[in-house]
Amino acid sequence: DTGVSQDPRHKITKRGQNVTFRCDPISEHNRLYWYRQTLGQGPEFLTYFQNEAQLEKSRLLSDRFSAERPKGSFSTLEIQRTEQGDSAMYLCASSRTGHRFAGELFFGEGSRLTVL
Amino acid sequence: DQQVKQNSPSLSVQEGRISILNCDYTNSMFDYFLWYKKYPAEGPTFLISISSIKDKNEDGRFTVFLNKSAKHLSLHIVPSQPGDSAVYFCAAWDPSGNTPLVFGKGTRLSVIA
Repeated sequence: DTGVSQDPRHKITKRGQNVTFRCDPISEHNRLYWYRQTLGQGPEFLTYFQNEAQLEKSRLLSDRFSAERPKGSFSTLEIQRTEQGDSAMYLCASSRTGHRFAGELFFGEGSRLTVL
Repeated sequence: DQQVKQNSPSLSVQEGRISILNCDYTNSMFDYFLWYKKYPAEGPTFLISISSIKDKNEDGRFTVFLNKSAKHLSLHIVPSQPGDSAVYFCAAWDPSGNTPLVFGKGTRLSVIA
């Protein structure tokens, strides 16, 4: 399978716990994105990497959120001290750089977080 | 404020008829637009795109029209099929910067057999 893969697909946690999601992008893609989607909304941008460099972070990404892509391959998104408002689908996507390809993001199936 | 707006949360169409999904945008720096399709429990998948230098792009049953002066684009599906039932997201991108894709809230299309 050469698509974007995310793990776990579903995580249920209690408020205050920490959670970590992993994303493995398409191997030849050097850009990796994290988006969040809540019910009735479109995907909302959180952050993105080009290789291992984190190039942009949204205001949505509070101090409790941290993302890494240490070797420019897979990425992790950690949420500390989870709150009920963090319940959402966390989507990872990847793309190539360059005018033609940078806009076409390839998404994984998402990691659904439920905070009780 | 929403830069990409899909004002119809849902749309029902009979099988074989045309489905028209609309999208408006406010940021004049956007000049590349994409449509994504999303089934339940799956991530969005790319459907079709259009650059601002064009006013129409066609791919099989799917055609996207862009009216840059009106800051409006639409996705036409002809003929609609039950398998087209999904949520469709309009997205926009400014290639001159590092900004990521900005998505609308989506329109849920139901194609009734």
